[in-house]
Amino acid sequence: DVKVTQSSRYLVKRTGEKVFLECVQDMDHENMFWYRQDPGLGLRLIYFSYDVKMKEKGDIPEGYSVSREKKERFSLILESASTNQTSMYLCASSLAGAFPSPLHFGNGTRLTVT
Amino acid sequence: AQKITQTQPGMFVQEKEAVTLDCTYDTSDPSYGLFWYKQPSSGEMIFLIYQGSYDQQNATEGRYSLNFQKARKSANLVISASQLGDSAMYFCAMRLNEKLTFGTGTRLTIIP
Repeated sequence: DVKVTQSSRYLVKRTGEKVFLECVQDMDHENMFWYRQDPGLGLRLIYFSYDVKMKEKGDIPEGYSVSREKKERFSLILESASTNQTSMYLCASSLAGAFPSPLHFGNGTRLTVT
Repeated sequence: AQKITQTQPGMFVQEKEAVTLDCTYDTSDPSYGLFWYKQPSSGEMIFLIYQGSYDQQNATEGRYSLNFQKARKSANLVISASQLGDSAMYFCAMRLNEKLTFGTGTRLTIIP
């Protein structure tokens, strides 16, 4: 089974702090994604990566950056955390290609910025 | 831009009844994939079913089926014989190239 592991389940940070959310997958998937989930808004794509050192902006990239130095690891960075970034963050991975490949999700990191 | 719409924020259904969760999508690309995910209160995202845009038959997986109406751009999830364990959030999603876009979700509650 694919395993996507997010390093923290709960995180509390102060406004202005630099925050790192880490995600590791163990199935050699090319694609990795970061979403945030908010009530009534569903899952919104922040960034995704289809290869090492490659990244593309999703629908809400403002205030975030990402890093993918190794294929199995995809990090989300909040350069200066703000209260409106309080949310559930979900990492996911998938195989690349035209064939159907569902996203496999981690268990999420609930970030609170105070 | 691709868009996924789920118009039912919440639904209540009696146990053992069938339920249909609505999903419409908007894209001009002829090649896309449609997914449904379940998110129980534990928070994990569980993949349920997939339909490709070129698939002729509606997808089925156990009690789940996808009512795919391409001309109407709808991909409704049908759950037959609902169970208490079906109570959860359900998300419809569309894949274009490598990117997956989600709807806002429907909270389904099964009443005993």
